[in-house]
Amino acid sequence: EAGVAQSPRYKIIEKRQSVAFWCNPISGHATLYWYQQILGQGPKLLIQFQNNGVVDDSQLPKDRFSAERLKGVDSTLKIQPAKLEDSAVYLCASSFGDRANTGELFFGEGSRLTVL
Amino acid sequence: GNSVTQMEGPVTLSEEAFLTINCTYTATGYPSLFWYVQYPGEGLQLLLKATKADDKGSNKGFEATYRKETTSFHLEKGSVQVSDSAVYFCALSDLSGTYKYIFGTGTRLKVLA
Repeated sequence: EAGVAQSPRYKIIEKRQSVAFWCNPISGHATLYWYQQILGQGPKLLIQFQNNGVVDDSQLPKDRFSAERLKGVDSTLKIQPAKLEDSAVYLCASSFGDRANTGELFFGEGSRLTVL
Repeated sequence: GNSVTQMEGPVTLSEEAFLTINCTYTATGYPSLFWYVQYPGEGLQLLLKATKADDKGSNKGFEATYRKETTSFHLEKGSVQVSDSAVYFCALSDLSGTYKYIFGTGTRLKVLA
């Protein structure tokens, strides 16, 4: 079974530039999560989708971050313009959600962003 | 709101030593509790879970018991190996509601041969 796919794995940009991260969840997983993991900290939820609807985006800095999940499958997270403090690993995770939920989140390997 | 607090690392142990990583939580209702592990260069993966009070989750020699009275879910292993070196995250989730997961800050474990 294919896992959660993310790209790119690494990205280096200058501040005020834009960047986009892509995530393809495990087939059949209704719920998709984007987390931000700053070095030395735990994952912080940015946005949670159920199918193609947003469940929680309360911690998403909406003046610069946006995310979409068209057709309820893959998702894109965009940052524009980037700030130095956005340097982090962006993790995508998926789960079954409210159907056959085993409680397990499946994570991708993450996209490491460095803002100079 | 819900939160998870876990002991700061790094924790450095010799091979075959006993491991305890403390985790306490604050939550309304009855969350499910998890330990995730992140090996070097890899994504987070589920280590074990417990969905109700007094449940014990176990996997790969690791154990944790859901203690409602002390709001704790401490991770233990009787004899660690070098291959257990990783970062361990305690987490909670409301599996009957929003399925939102909240993670602790992580504890880095280094096991020396």
